Amino acid sequence: NAGVTQTPKFRILKIGQSMTLQCTQDMNHNYMYWYRQDPGMGLKLIYYSVGAGITDKGEVPNGYNVSRSTTEDFPLRLELAAPSQTSVYFCASSSGLAGTVSYEQYFGPGTRLTVT
Amino acid sequence: AQKITQTQPGMFVQEKEAVTLDCTYDTSDQSYGLFWYKQPSSGEMIFLIYQGSYDEQNATEGRYSLNFQKARKSANLVISASQLGDSAMYFCAMRERVSGSARQLTFGSGTQLTVLP
Repeated sequence: NAGVTQTPKFRILKIGQSMTLQCTQDMNHNYMYWYRQDPGMGLKLIYYSVGAGITDKGEVPNGYNVSRSTTEDFPLRLELAAPSQTSVYFCASSSGLAGTVSYEQYFGPGTRLTVT
Repeated sequence: AQKITQTQPGMFVQEKEAVTLDCTYDTSDQSYGLFWYKQPSSGEMIFLIYQGSYDEQNATEGRYSLNFQKARKSANLVISASQLGDSAMYFCAMRERVSGSARQLTFGSGTQLTVLP
């Protein structure tokens, strides 16, 4: 049981390039999330998904796109990278079942992205 | 307006002492949850403790306890018997509904805890 995995761990992009951050979970969780963490700050929600085929915007969605074709995978696409997208990106998942700790979000190890 | 406020950017504590990290929140929901996560210098997010808004007892997990004062909208983390390995950034987060059954976590700005030998 690997939990939430993210690739790559590090990436440097030039301004205007595009890339996809991969996220996979093997816990059969319905809910998946993408956050970004700027230096010295807390995490901010970019996009989330409540199940395959269903995605919605979070607090800071501009410049990003997502898709959810399977329960396991939730890739984040950056089009036309900008320096403001330099950040650490975390993917997370949760079961979303009724209850309390079932809403706990399990985080991947993060992807450190630099746009220059 | 800030939904999660952590007013202590940095804290120092002597090894083996207890420390309290402050967190206040703002929500109009009746049903919500409060989490604390630890982020060591390696960067991963580690879940520590959870408190539901309807839980009458304060949550405890080993050396971690959550001092939940609902009327004051505060959810402070207490770490007892601090260890050097507790040095890390600590984030308070609130789970709230975004739409339908979807929930999101809103994070505070964090408190950097340093445990001194």
